[in-house]
Amino acid sequence: GEDVEQSLFLSVREGDSSVINCTYTDSSSTYLYWYKQEPGAGLQLLTYIFSNMDMKQDQRLTVLLNKKDKHLSLRIADTQTGDSAIYFCAESESSGSARQLTFGSGTQLTVLP
Amino acid sequence: NAGVTQTPKFQVLKTGQSMTLQCAQDMNHEYMSWYRQDPGMGLRLIHYSVGAGITDQGEVPNGYNVSRSTTEDFPLRLLSAAPSQTSVYFCASKTGNTFNEQFFGPGTRLTVL
Repeated sequence: GEDVEQSLFLSVREGDSSVINCTYTDSSSTYLYWYKQEPGAGLQLLTYIFSNMDMKQDQRLTVLLNKKDKHLSLRIADTQTGDSAIYFCAESESSGSARQLTFGSGTQLTVLP
Repeated sequence: NAGVTQTPKFQVLKTGQSMTLQCAQDMNHEYMSWYRQDPGMGLRLIHYSVGAGITDQGEVPNGYNVSRSTTEDFPLRLLSAAPSQTSVYFCASKTGNTFNEQFFGPGTRLTVL
């Protein structure tokens, strides 16, 4: 079945760049997502990329997709203390079914002052 | 719009007790889902619904029931709570189109003693 893997923890200094990595196994993944979960809250969609793209940039966020290696990364430039959260990688196929969104275990990002 | 709302925010149950976690959305979304979040395991899909009157099982359905009598509401029932059901539960909804952005509620933290 589908599997999405992430490292559990990442610590960076305020102002540095953060890179959160994710690998997935499903070669039919069409959409790949990054969700952010702040303490005590639900998940919010941060950004996404279609599988026919290599890169997507949105202000401080850069998403890189290596489809051959099934590797997705999220780079946060100029990381701030407000970026401290859990970041989930997720993938889905194209049919849009609620069943077909698979999440990774989440990476806890801690931003040190 | 209130988005996706969940009640209660916290609940403590004794083994064998039953309860219903409430979820409602005011966005007229067709798809609704229940996930549980456990440390190091990401989000796992319990049950989902693609419209009123239609429900289906996700990855971890045992011990849980759902129903969808209206578009707005999607309650999750624990018939006989077990300590293994201690978790944080998230309800989510999305439209029926292909892109799979899910909107999450704030979560219910459940402890079963």
